[in-house]
Amino acid sequence: AQKVTQAQTEISVVEKEDVTLDCVYETRDTTYYLFWYKQPPSGELVFLIRRNSFDEQNEISGRYSWNFQKSTSSFNFTITASQVVDSAVYFCALSENTDKLIFGTGTRLQVFP
Amino acid sequence: GAVVSQHPSWVICKSGTSVKIECRSLDFQATTMFWYRQFPKQSLMLMATSNEGSKATYEQGVEKDKFLINHASLTLSTLTVTSAHPEDSSFYICSATSQRTSGSNEQFFGPGTRLTVL
Repeated sequence: AQKVTQAQTEISVVEKEDVTLDCVYETRDTTYYLFWYKQPPSGELVFLIRRNSFDEQNEISGRYSWNFQKSTSSFNFTITASQVVDSAVYFCALSENTDKLIFGTGTRLQVFP
Repeated sequence: GAVVSQHPSWVICKSGTSVKIECRSLDFQATTMFWYRQFPKQSLMLMATSNEGSKATYEQGVEKDKFLINHASLTLSTLTVTSAHPEDSSFYICSATSQRTSGSNEQFFGPGTRLTVL
């Protein structure tokens, strides 16, 4: 069965701190996709990254970076030098051989000035 | 590209009435559209998957007679909440996959519709 676990329900940091959001997934498939989305207070989901199961390279995009480790079934997301605008709920999601997305429970990040 | 719109963005209705929510892919043809429901401070839960011209596939526990989905064209899907009750109050989000990105499992999300049933 497929499952996504985001153990951190809420994280609070002060601006400029680095913060890592954890994501652990379960799947029996060898081919799958992992995603991260940001949901600001407005509610609209913002796509951040898609990673397929055959690409374990870490990725950096500005202040965002992702660490994909198949050995631990984890796909963690780090924000460097956090800013108030980063405050949102962040969802990790998994998709197997269909287009269905299974979302984690989300991590609410609050960045204080 | 790959913009999905929803209408209305919010709606308030009386208990017992029906509400229709539209989901449109504005600049692409959507092979598949999905409907999600999100209760406050919870995650997105998939309600149903629909393909143009065929019946929607509902997830376990979702009443298909209560949540009617029509996918009449490659750019439009509608969700009708029939005989809405206060417990149906939620944030409804649609998404779509594009033929262009077929196989990547990427979904493009609409901005969501907030339904409040009094």
